[in-house]
Amino acid sequence: DVKVTQSSRYLVKRTGEKVFLECVQDMDHENMFWYRQDPGLGLRLIYFSYDVKMKEKGDIPEGYSVSREKKERFSLILESASTNQTSMYLCASEAYHSPLHFGNGTRLTVT
Amino acid sequence: DAKTTQPPSMDCAEGRAANLPCNHSTISGNEYVYWYRQIHSQGPQYIIHGLKNNETNEMASLIITEDRKSSTLILPHATLRDTAVYYCIVRVARTNAGKSTFGDGTTLTVKP
Repeated sequence: DVKVTQSSRYLVKRTGEKVFLECVQDMDHENMFWYRQDPGLGLRLIYFSYDVKMKEKGDIPEGYSVSREKKERFSLILESASTNQTSMYLCASEAYHSPLHFGNGTRLTVT
Repeated sequence: DAKTTQPPSMDCAEGRAANLPCNHSTISGNEYVYWYRQIHSQGPQYIIHGLKNNETNEMASLIITEDRKSSTLILPHATLRDTAVYYCIVRVARTNAGKSTFGDGTTLTVKP
């Protein structure tokens, strides 16, 4: 069974802090994604990656960056956290011709 | 990837079939229809997908119209645990990642 693990379930950070959200998948999937989910806005794609060291912007990349140094790990970085980045963050992975597998999410609160 | 339209909410009686519709009128010939659901405080879970033929698995059935512009997810005997938000998306299966656009989905409430 595919497992996508997000390092924290809940996180509280202060405005201006640098925040790292980590995601690890155990199925050797090529593609990995970061979404954020807000009430009334659905899931919005922040960044995705289809290979190690490769990344592409999604629909809302502003204020975020990503890192993929190893195939199994995809990190989302908030360079300087702001209150409007308070949200649920979801990581997902997939192999070619397979469905997306999601982690259980990190609920980030920026105060 | 094409966009989808779903009703915001639906109710279903426990034990009855739940039929969740999805419109994807701009779907391309090589795009698949995928269904996911999200139970409160969890990540979305894959249910089923299809290209043009109807599909069935242990969780649900997927009916795709002949013109492929719409589809219906069927939960044959809904239980209270099926209460969730259901997302329909369309996307191409390819080697590099593509954007998957999730809308607001349909909130299904199964009532006793």
